[in-house]
This record gives sequence, C-alpha cells and structure tokens, in this order.
Amino acid sequence: GAVVSQHPSRVICKSGTSVKIECRSLDFQATTMFWYRQFPKQSLMLMATSNEGSKATYEQGVEKDKFLINHASLTLSTLTVTSAHPEDSSFYICSARQGEVYEQYFGPGTRLTVT
Amino acid sequence: KQEVTQIPAALSVPEGENLVLNCSFTDSAIYNLQWFRQDPGKGLTSLLLIQSSQREQTSGRLNASLDKSSGRSTLYIAASQPGDSATYLCAVKGPDSKLTFGKGITLSVRP
Repeated sequence: GAVVSQHPSRVICKSGTSVKIECRSLDFQATTMFWYRQFPKQSLMLMATSNEGSKATYEQGVEKDKFLINHASLTLSTLTVTSAHPEDSSFYICSARQGEVYEQYFGPGTRLTVT
Repeated sequence: KQEVTQIPAALSVPEGENLVLNCSFTDSAIYNLQWFRQDPGKGLTSLLLIQSSQREQTSGRLNASLDKSSGRSTLYIAASQPGDSATYLCAVKGPDSKLTFGKGITLSVRP
C-alpha cells in the first residue's frame, strides 16, 4: 500500500516552454502533498506544500509564479514549471500523506532537462 | 533553522562488513527521524522511522538508533551486500511537520 506515482519520469523541453508534472496517490487519499527539488549530490529541498482544495504554501526563495502547483483532488497534485530555463533542470520529487500524523510517501521522481 | 548533516559523503566497504552511517541534526525538537534509501535516478524508499520517544528501530539487517538530546542518529547495516549500494538519506520531521533532509551518504559495497 501507500504508492505514489509521478508522470512523466523524465522530460526534455526547450527553454521558454512550460512543462507539467503529475503526482498521484494511488491507494490512499492525500490531504497534503509536497514538492521537492534535488540537485546532484544535494539534499532534497522542499519547494512547496499543497493541501487539497487550497493554495500551495511556497518555501522562501521559490517563485510561486514560476512553479505553479495545483492540488485539485485528494489523489492528484500537479507542478507546472512555466517558462523553463536551463537552471530549472533538476530532479523533482513529490510526496503525499493522509494527514499530519501520517508518514510521507514519495514518488519515483521526474528528471527535467531544459535545453 | 534545522540543519541535518551526514558525514562522510561517500563510503566504500568490502562485502560482508558491518557498517555504521551517521546523521546529526542541530535542533532536537523533532517529531521523528527517518532513514531513506535512494538508488541512482530514483525516488526514495523508506527504510526505518524512529519516533522521538523511541531509541531504535530494526528491520532485517538494518538497525537505526536515535539520541535526540545529542542530535544524532546512526544506521547500522549488518553483513553488507553489493545490493546495499545506494545513497542513504536521513530526514527529521520538525514541529511544522516538514522534513529536513541531509545530503546523503553514497555507499558502495565491493564484491
């Protein structure tokens, strides 16, 4: 149980275009989903926290207009990287949990390459 | 602000060796600590979760300990195998329910 999927697993896009990444909780309802970014040999850095039906809360230094997060249902959250640039190339990982006292379950990640 | 440190960044051991991975954190006000495994280009697999009131957790060849007052945790791997080669991350959950991760230790077990 507690499976989280991400789609796509890898994506290459051209500079200036937008790309959407989906995160789904397959066998539980996720009241909260998290989006992380991981650069090579670095920690996972939390970008934003989203609660179903409400606006995402972004961490300091993360541009909310560039990284659009939507959590429209209890099983789906999306991250849209708008006007992507090469410096946005990274590994994006989502996680989901049922409630505050529950464990976070992580997706397999999405490798974004912006050319 | 919580900081999580894992040293060394990389470790190479021969197969069969018992080993200890270290994790330290600066703020002892945590709800729990979790150890994850990450294979190259993949997501995170949870290995062990220790609640702040616990001292250790065991799963198979893995044993994790937590000393909250000193801000330290260790992950003990018994009889290491080449399949244990991966990056091991520790993360602490703070009062805000957010996870703070270390950079990880990349383990290589030589056959």
